[in-house]
Amino acid sequence: AQRVTQPEKLLSVFKGAPVELKCNYSYSGSPELFWYVQYSRQRLQLLLRHISRESIKGFTADLNKGETSFHLKKPFAQEEDSAMYYCALSRYNTDKLIFGTGTRLQVFP
Amino acid sequence: GAGVSQSPRYKVAKRGQDVALRCDPISGHVSLFWYQQALGQGPEFLTYFQNEAQLDKSGLPSDRFFAERPEGSVSTLKIQRTQQEDSAVYLCASSPNGRATNEKLFFGSGTQLSVL
Repeated sequence: AQRVTQPEKLLSVFKGAPVELKCNYSYSGSPELFWYVQYSRQRLQLLLRHISRESIKGFTADLNKGETSFHLKKPFAQEEDSAMYYCALSRYNTDKLIFGTGTRLQVFP
Repeated sequence: GAGVSQSPRYKVAKRGQDVALRCDPISGHVSLFWYQQALGQGPEFLTYFQNEAQLDKSGLPSDRFFAERPEGSVSTLKIQRTQQEDSAVYLCASSPNGRATNEKLFFGSGTQLSVL
């Protein structure tokens, strides 16, 4: 069965520190991987997709098929990055998303 | 419109009561999804519509859950004889795409259902 694991419920860092939010997945095919973010009192929104290989708000994520991971990284955290982050998987040619349980990122001043 | 609109924002139901949750997708959006998010968990897929056709309902947890989108726009998720385990936030999401929906997927604010 497909599964997305986010081992950390909470990650706390100080402003300017590097951030890495971990995501591991279980799927035998070629998945599409996503990071979604939910800021306080806002809707769930797409942060980035592995296919687009872009950097959004300074965040990047690389799909490592050997380690079945899709960790989210940012070299210098900002206070406005504080939010709930969800890693999600979509199976090839089907569109529903399978979400992890989420990691809350707190960035202290 | 401002985006995907869901109503009511909050719903309190007594155990055994029937509830109906409404989703107004962005105008013209072809695809519509319902997800259930229990406290402390990530969203879990319930069902998917492409226009008025319900193409996937594999995530509906029991036959007490029913969803419809009769005219291909507004969708209603109905839960009959609610149970405490139905307490969750119900999220609706829509996409202008019929395929590759995750390229552009917009979520609503959700309906928080509490079953007492």
